[in-house]
Amino acid sequence: NAGVTQTPKFQVLKTGQSMTLQCAQDMNHNSMYWYRQDPGMGLRLIYYSASEGTTDKGEVPNGYNVSRLNKREFSLRLESAAPSQTSVYFCASSGQGGDTQYFGPGTRLTVL
Amino acid sequence: KQEVTQIPAALSVPEGENLVLNCSFTDSAIYNLQWFRQDPGKGLTSLLLIQSSQREQTSGRLNASLDKSSGRSTLYIAASQPGDSATYLCAVNQGNQGGKLIFGQGTELSVKP
Repeated sequence: NAGVTQTPKFQVLKTGQSMTLQCAQDMNHNSMYWYRQDPGMGLRLIYYSASEGTTDKGEVPNGYNVSRLNKREFSLRLESAAPSQTSVYFCASSGQGGDTQYFGPGTRLTVL
Repeated sequence: KQEVTQIPAALSVPEGENLVLNCSFTDSAIYNLQWFRQDPGKGLTSLLLIQSSQREQTSGRLNASLDKSSGRSTLYIAASQPGDSATYLCAVNQGNQGGKLIFGQGTELSVKP
């Protein structure tokens, strides 16, 4: 049972480049989330998907887009990367919105 | 706006000691509270989840308590071991925004042999 998987593990981008972070869960969870973790700021919610077919903004959505491709997969896209988006990105999932959240291993992104 | 605070930011104890990590939150209208562990360079591992109607939860050497009215939660670790060294995060779920968690900054624990 893999739980929550994320790809890639590491990525370096130049300012203005685009990329998509992939997340998949095999726990048949309804809800999925994208967080970013920054020193001194802690973890903050970027976007979430309460169920397949729905997505909503979290605390820091600017500069990002998401797609809930199916029940298993939830991707995060940076259309034009900026140095301020250098961070560690975590995907998480839960059965329902109030349940225990399970996190992936993270993607470490550097934007030069 | 809900704010979550964890004090101290770092803690160093000798092996075998019992210890308490603190978490406080400003808005008592929470749905539940979750404690996580994060090892350096790794993701978060869920330790315990306490519903707003519960007073405590236990798992092995870990015991988490919740006093919603005073806006406090504690994580008690019994007989600490070097393998317990990690950053411990608490997070509050207010029951809206699909289960959004609001995190504290964490307490970095070092257990010395």
